[in-house]
Amino acid sequence: DTVLTQSPALAVSPGERVTISCRASESVSTLMHWYQQKPGQQPKLLIYLASNLESGVPARFSGSGSGTDFTLTIDPVEADDTATYYCQQSWNDPTFGGGTKLELK
Amino acid sequence: EVQLVESGGGLVQPGRSLKLSCAASGFTFSDYAMAWVRQAPKKGLEWVATIIYDGSSTYYRDSVKGRFTISRDNAKSTLYLQMDSLRSEDTATYYCARHITIAAMGYFDYWGQGVMVTVSS
Repeated sequence: DTVLTQSPALAVSPGERVTISCRASESVSTLMHWYQQKPGQQPKLLIYLASNLESGVPARFSGSGSGTDFTLTIDPVEADDTATYYCQQSWNDPTFGGGTKLELK
Repeated sequence: EVQLVESGGGLVQPGRSLKLSCAASGFTFSDYAMAWVRQAPKKGLEWVATIIYDGSSTYYRDSVKGRFTISRDNAKSTLYLQMDSLRSEDTATYYCARHITIAAMGYFDYWGQGVMVTVSS
């Protein structure tokens, strides 16, 4: 299985720019996707195929990367963005990163 | 509006069986692959199984192969997960998700609210 590694947590102030990283144990080309999960809710797709913004998702969210290193950027961060963010690869059987919990100061 | 509504969860003893259902609406169910993804309490997400649009092919994670069966009834727009020989490590919230299978195994664009399965004696 392809292992995806994410930093466990981040804390930022509203209005700042935040980057959430995801590193794959092997190249996944651009087959990387990002989800947001708020407490008690189901995950929500934000970005697909590394850099494509899902319909209805604010343009404050963007994705980049290829190969083994990927980034989700939120600029500017808003209070409502408090959530856990997961990356997921589809190069082979789907696997998810451990999630990055984003907290606002 | 796409809606996915899971049902069938509950408390079950180790070794017993349970069948989950997911009722879909708001899209042409028979055009899409569907999947189950689970999340153990306070843990991350884990893909469980996928079935392609017409049910002719299925895919499973290794830890559930031979114990879980994913199926669908396109006439009823319903997805199922038959879970046999349940283990404590299967305890999780199970999400039904629409699976966009472009570019290999793809991604999950809509998710249900989830249903809790607890395996305990």
